[in-house]
Amino acid sequence: KQEVTQIPAALSVPEGENLVLNCSFTDSAIYNLQWFRQDPGKGLTSLLLIQSSQREQTSGRLNASLDKSSGRSTLYIAASQPGDSATYLCAPPPPGRRALTFGSGTRLQVQP
Amino acid sequence: GAVVSQHPSRVICKSGTSVKIECRSLDFQATTMFWYRQFPKQSLMLMATSNEGSKATYEQGVEKDKFLINHASLTLSTLTVTSAHPEDSSFYICSARDDGYEQFFGPGTRLTVL
Repeated sequence: KQEVTQIPAALSVPEGENLVLNCSFTDSAIYNLQWFRQDPGKGLTSLLLIQSSQREQTSGRLNASLDKSSGRSTLYIAASQPGDSATYLCAPPPPGRRALTFGSGTRLQVQP
Repeated sequence: GAVVSQHPSRVICKSGTSVKIECRSLDFQATTMFWYRQFPKQSLMLMATSNEGSKATYEQGVEKDKFLINHASLTLSTLTVTSAHPEDSSFYICSARDDGYEQFFGPGTRLTVL
């Protein structure tokens, strides 16, 4: 069974800071990992998908890295903005399954 | 990215009634869709995997007779909450996977059972 831990659980920063969100998972036999953001009362928006053969993936101010051997992924947000305020979730699928397992997320608040 | 829609976005019903939630992949075909449930301040929990043309696979502890899933086409899956009770009140979210293994989520349905 895949278990996912995200640290920190909550984070409040002033606008402009660079941020690092951490995700660890127990079973490293994954074929990919996705990062999502969720705004309050809304669905999930896919941010980045990292295939198991990749070490990192970039989209705009976001960069996600994956270290399968250590069971870790990191989401880096550069020059944070108030619009980045949301809950960020990492989701590796359990081995042999197509559904995703979610951590409890990191609640980010970027102050103007 | 691909778009997944859900309908309705919000529903309030009386205890004992049944509620149907639709999940559609708008610009791609999805042989597999997933249904999740999210309680306040908690993360998403997988309820079932919906497979086009076959029976859904339910997670342990999820009553298949209470949460009926039908995946009638490559773009539509429905979740019916039968004889809903207040404890079924939750945020229900579906997702669909494209051929590249990326999953896309719908906007969710807020169910309130009085």
